[in-house]
Amino acid sequence: GENVEQHPSTLSVQEGDSAVIKCTYSDSASNYFPWYKQELGKRPQLIIDIRSNVGEKKDQRIAVTLNKTAKHFSLHITETQPEDSAVYFCAAIFSGGYNKLIFGAGTRLAVHP
Amino acid sequence: GAGVSQSPSNKVTEKGKDVELRCDPISGHTALYWYRQSLGQGLEFLIYFQGNSAPDKSGLPSDRFSAERTGGSVSTLTIQRTQQEDSAVYLCASSPGFSKHYEQYFGPGTRLTVT
Repeated sequence: GENVEQHPSTLSVQEGDSAVIKCTYSDSASNYFPWYKQELGKRPQLIIDIRSNVGEKKDQRIAVTLNKTAKHFSLHITETQPEDSAVYFCAAIFSGGYNKLIFGAGTRLAVHP
Repeated sequence: GAGVSQSPSNKVTEKGKDVELRCDPISGHTALYWYRQSLGQGLEFLIYFQGNSAPDKSGLPSDRFSAERTGGSVSTLTIQRTQQEDSAVYLCASSPGFSKHYEQYFGPGTRLTVT
């Protein structure tokens, strides 16, 4: 069945360092991979996404890379700031239809000043 | 424009009671999704609507859970005979629903507490 694994479950970095979160997926036909940021008590917010026809996408300090052969994708945050502290979820669209997203279990990122 | 809204924001109910949770999607979004998030956990898919139809109900945990959508807009998630394990945040998301428009936008959620 469809599955998305996310690592690490927790990540602690110093302000200014980079943070990398990795996800693997099982559905080889998946073609859309979003990342969501969820601050404490808030709704998940879409921060970046990538489609299978590209290998990398950047938006300011955030980038996502995709390796379709290996079925994994990663979120990279550079020059981290305390406001980056949140739980980050990766997801992959299930090719079986209905645009169903399968989410990873989440990574709790803490950025220390 | 207005985002996805949900009501109530918080609901406390006694075990055995029925509850209804409401979701108002972004105007024009044809796809609507319900998820459940237990404390400190990930997002568990419950049900998906395209228009008023629910082609994927595979995530509903039991027959106590049901959902409907009317007019291609508002959706209601109903939980009958609530149990303590139903306590969670129930999130709704909507999406344009057209081919290759996969982006889902979430509402603020309803925090359900069953006592």
